[in-house]
Amino acid sequence: NAGVTQTPKFRILKIGQSMTLQCTQDMNHNYMYWYRQDPGMGLKLIYYSVGAGITDKGEVPNGYNVSRSTTEDFPLRLELAAPSQTSVYFCAIGSEQFFGPGTRLTVL
Amino acid sequence: AQSVAQPEDQVNVAEGNPLTVKCTYSVSGNPYLFWYVQYPNRGLQFLLKYITGDNLVKGSYGFEAEFNKSQTSFHLKKPSALVSDSALYFCAVRDPYGGATNKLIFGTGTLLAVQP
Repeated sequence: NAGVTQTPKFRILKIGQSMTLQCTQDMNHNYMYWYRQDPGMGLKLIYYSVGAGITDKGEVPNGYNVSRSTTEDFPLRLELAAPSQTSVYFCAIGSEQFFGPGTRLTVL
Repeated sequence: AQSVAQPEDQVNVAEGNPLTVKCTYSVSGNPYLFWYVQYPNRGLQFLLKYITGDNLVKGSYGFEAEFNKSQTSFHLKKPSALVSDSALYFCAVRDPYGGATNKLIFGTGTLLAVQP
């Protein structure tokens, strides 16, 4: 039982490149969330999902997209990376929000 | 607007002394309040929550938090700090307008440094 796994752990992108941050859970939770964490800013909600096939925008969705085709997976897509998207990204699941280990993304 | 404030960026305490990490909130209705801890290069870990009932909530690793409705506060406490408690602590409140989504609003975090 791994809980929440996120891949990759680290990534460096060039401006304009695209990538997908993966989040997978084995706890069968309906609720899944994507946050970004910037120094001194706490966590900001990007997108969330209350179940397979259902997604909605959070506080800072611009520049990101998500999908939820299965209960287990909730990938976050960056289409045109920008330096402002340099951050640490966390996936969380469940009503008490069990967090994954994070993905550290740098856009240069 | 719903919000959570952690007024201290950093709290320093000597090992063995009691510690307090402060949190105040501003929400409509009855608040659902949470504390999380983040160790370096790790995700957040749930410590405790207040939903209703007893104002003193006990959580993981010997931590507790006191809900004070009149002061709109939910301070995190521990009677005797350990060096291993050194970490970043986040207070959060459930968005009362989030419906069944369980969305949380996080504070900006307080770095706890426990000196040996």
